[in-house]
Amino acid sequence: QKEVEQNSGPLSVPEGAIASLNCTYSDRVSQSFFWYRQYSGKSPELIMSIYSNGDKEDGRFTAQLNKASQYVSLLIRDSQPSDSATYLCAVDPSNTGKLIFGQGTTLQVKP
Amino acid sequence: GAGVSQSPSNKVTEKGKDVELRCDPISGHTALYWYRQSLGQGLEFLIYFQGNSAPDKSGLPSDRFSAERTGGSVSTLTIQRTQQEDSAVYLCASSQRGQPDYHGYTFGSGTRLTVV
Repeated sequence: QKEVEQNSGPLSVPEGAIASLNCTYSDRVSQSFFWYRQYSGKSPELIMSIYSNGDKEDGRFTAQLNKASQYVSLLIRDSQPSDSATYLCAVDPSNTGKLIFGQGTTLQVKP
Repeated sequence: GAGVSQSPSNKVTEKGKDVELRCDPISGHTALYWYRQSLGQGLEFLIYFQGNSAPDKSGLPSDRFSAERTGGSVSTLTIQRTQQEDSAVYLCASSQRGQPDYHGYTFGSGTRLTVV
């Protein structure tokens, strides 16, 4: 079992819809969780971090964490074509600052 | 510098040759990471330097891979006797431990390595 798992997609949503991206992790003691966005041919950039159970909102983005079920999700409201990218889930299982990344989910937002 | 600088941006090498990849982190960042990304895959952790501590080498895939960080700044990743499966984009990132955005790694633009 991989440490961090994501559905590779592609996930296709129409412009204006809510995109829901999911991630599960195997290390129950993990405390820190992150979502990175990677445009094709570019390097990843951090968009959200979450450390506590529940929801965290930042603009059109909401991260959701459920430690009991070992999953973290990212919701993108009012999806735009510019949101089309690969979204990488990352976990710091040992709180050392070393991130373990999932394979990424490709999101396509169609105009 | 203003960002993480990696060189070369592209490298094509023959199987069996050695290659060196360079990373110049953001000035003052104490943490430096190397990852690699194969086509259509996520980021695979390779090695992590934090200040003067011994590096975490747990992700290096074989003894052909090594890395060093001189003076707490520039890092070099060396791959000896390259194989075709080493072809990937090698990404370097840095961050400043203790800062709120510690996990907001700043990635360099990567080195695309092709072994032919």
